[in-house]
Order: sequence, then C-alpha cells, then structure tokens
Amino acid sequence: DIQMTQSPSSVSASVGDRVTITCRASQDISSRLAWYQQKPGKAPNLLIFAASTLQNGVPSRFSGSGSGTDFTLTISSLQPEDFATYYCQQANSFPLTFGGGTKVEIK
Amino acid sequence: QITLKESGPTLVKPTQTLTLTCTCSGFSVTTTGVGVGWIRQSPGKALEWLALIYWDDDKRYSPSLKNRLTITKDASKNQVVLTLTDMDPEDTATYFCAHKLDWSWFEPWGQGTLVTVSS
Repeated sequence: DIQMTQSPSSVSASVGDRVTITCRASQDISSRLAWYQQKPGKAPNLLIFAASTLQNGVPSRFSGSGSGTDFTLTISSLQPEDFATYYCQQANSFPLTFGGGTKVEIK
Repeated sequence: QITLKESGPTLVKPTQTLTLTCTCSGFSVTTTGVGVGWIRQSPGKALEWLALIYWDDDKRYSPSLKNRLTITKDASKNQVVLTLTDMDPEDTATYFCAHKLDWSWFEPWGQGTLVTVSS
C-alpha cells in the first residue's frame, strides 16, 4: 500500500496568512494526487486534483503543486471559511489511500 | 446536478452484517466511465477508502477489509450497495459514498451516515 504522510498535523494561523500543507507519498505517484477540505460534521469537498488542477468553483487562493512523492497545498491568504481539516489522497494505485489530515485552526 | 445519499441502519450489533445503500441521482451508475466509491471515517480520525465499483461491474476493495466487504450496484434503482460482515465496535464510523472522477478522486460525496456498533 502507498502511505500518505501529511505535515503538519495541525497549524494555527490568522486570517490573511499564507498556509502551506505538505503530503509525502511512500512511492512515486506521478501527479495522481487530490486534496480535500472537510468541515466538522460535513463530507469532504474536492479542492484540487491531478496535483495542481483546481476543481470548478474553488477559490484561486488555493493552489497545489508537486509530483512524484512530494506535494504541497497552499492557501495564499487564509479566509475565515478556510478553517477546516485538509486531506490528501493518492489515486495512482489501489488501495486508494488518504493522508492523516491537517487541521487548520484559528490563531 | 450530481447527488448521492447514503441510507441504512444507525446501530448494529457486533457480528451482524451492515448493509448500506447509496442512492445516486444526476448520473447513471451504468454510464461508461462512471464509478462510485465508499469511504469511512471513524470518529475524530482520517478518511479510509473501502471499495469502488465501476459502470461495467468491475470492483476494487481495500485489502484490509476485502474478506468482509461486498459492493454491488442495482442499475434499475441507480443505487450502489455496500455490505460489511462481522461488524465490530472498531467499525463504528461515518460511511460516505462518493462519485468517482477521472483517475479515482471523488466529488461529490454524500452527506454520510453514522453507524455505531454496540451491543
């Protein structure tokens, strides 16, 4: 199985801050990586797929980069509605696997 | 507009079999390229992928649960059904179904259904 390791597990930030979350795969997954946002009590929402493609309707302050084993999700200017937990997911091979999540909290 | 909705019991006893139904709308589960997956999330924990079924009835399972999982689809009702046998308190989780995009990312997701395993 491909292990997905996210860091940090949590981050405290203020509105307007730039936030970067990393995801590392245990083996090469090319660009087959997605990022999701999940708010408490809600289902995840797809933010980015294919490592860097923004899903329709997602604000441009979200961006993704990386390929191979190292990936990054960046929020350029954190907004109040961005406080949530973020997960990466590899889609390179089965079983599909998710990272452990990064909780973005209000500082 | 694509929507999915999970339904099933909220409480099951240990050793029982869980059957969850995902009712899909806005797409057909038999259209070429379509896939529907199940993902669960134990309270306070990360997401765990369980199974995926394709339009042509091809199926993929999580190896850690493969012996206990079955995924099927009912084209006439446009539903996908997940069964998980021999339920254990460790299976307590919110179970989501989701529409597969492209390689195998998921959007949208159903609202999820919380299943508690307790005697």
